Amino acid sequence: KNEVEQSPQNLTAQEGEFITINCSYSVGISALHWLQQHPGGGIVSLFMLSSGKKKHGRLIATINIQEKHSSLHITASHPRDSAVYICAVYSNSGYALNFGKGTSLLVTP
Amino acid sequence: ETGVTQTPRHLVMGMTNKKSLKCEQHLGHNAMYWYKQSAKKPLELMFVYSLEERVENNSVPSRFSPECPNSSHLFLHLHTLQPEDSALYLCASSQDMIRKGWDGYTFGSGTRLTVV
Repeated sequence: KNEVEQSPQNLTAQEGEFITINCSYSVGISALHWLQQHPGGGIVSLFMLSSGKKKHGRLIATINIQEKHSSLHITASHPRDSAVYICAVYSNSGYALNFGKGTSLLVTP
Repeated sequence: ETGVTQTPRHLVMGMTNKKSLKCEQHLGHNAMYWYKQSAKKPLELMFVYSLEERVENNSVPSRFSPECPNSSHLFLHLHTLQPEDSALYLCASSQDMIRKGWDGYTFGSGTRLTVV
C-alpha cells in the first residue's frame, strides 16, 4: 500500500467551478508538497506545507497533521489549470519524496 | 526550463539495445535522483546520488545502471530492457539530502522511454 493516497484519481470540472483534491498519508512527515505536472512532463512545486494553510492566487492548500490529511483547492477554475496534481511527502525517516499517484484534472470551457 | 536538463526527451529502443539517458544541472546542487513514472502509478525513486556517491538503490533491476561522473551530471544506462520498463524517467536535483524542503528541489522534464 502506498504511503500517500490521493482522491479523486480523475476529475473533470467546468470553468469557474471550485475544485478540491485530497491527500492522505500514513507516515509521520516533516513536510508535504503539492506539485503540478503538465503534459510535457515537467513538475513544479505549488506549495510546501508543514502546518495550517497557504494561499497563492486561486490556489489554497491546507493540512491537518493530526488527521494526516491535506487538501488542495482551486477557486474559479480555468482550462489552464488542467494538469496532474501530485501530493508528495517527506517522511520523518526518509530523505527523498514519497509521491501519490496524482489527480488528473480537466477543466472544460 | 527548470535548470535540470534531460536528454533525449523521447526514446524508442528495442529490447536488445543499449542506450543512455542524460541529466545535467548547473544549479550547484549536491544531490541528484532518478525517478520512474509509469501510468497510473506514483513516481518511484530509483537511485539517489549525493556528492557523486550512490546512497540508495531501491531494488532496481540491474538492466538499469546509473552513473554520476560529477555533481552536475547523472546518467542512466539501459540494456536489455523489457516492454514494462516503458515509462517517463525523471531526473531531479536538490541542494543536499539533509534539507527536507522543496527549496532547491528541481525536476527535469523527463525522458519518455518506449521499449519495443
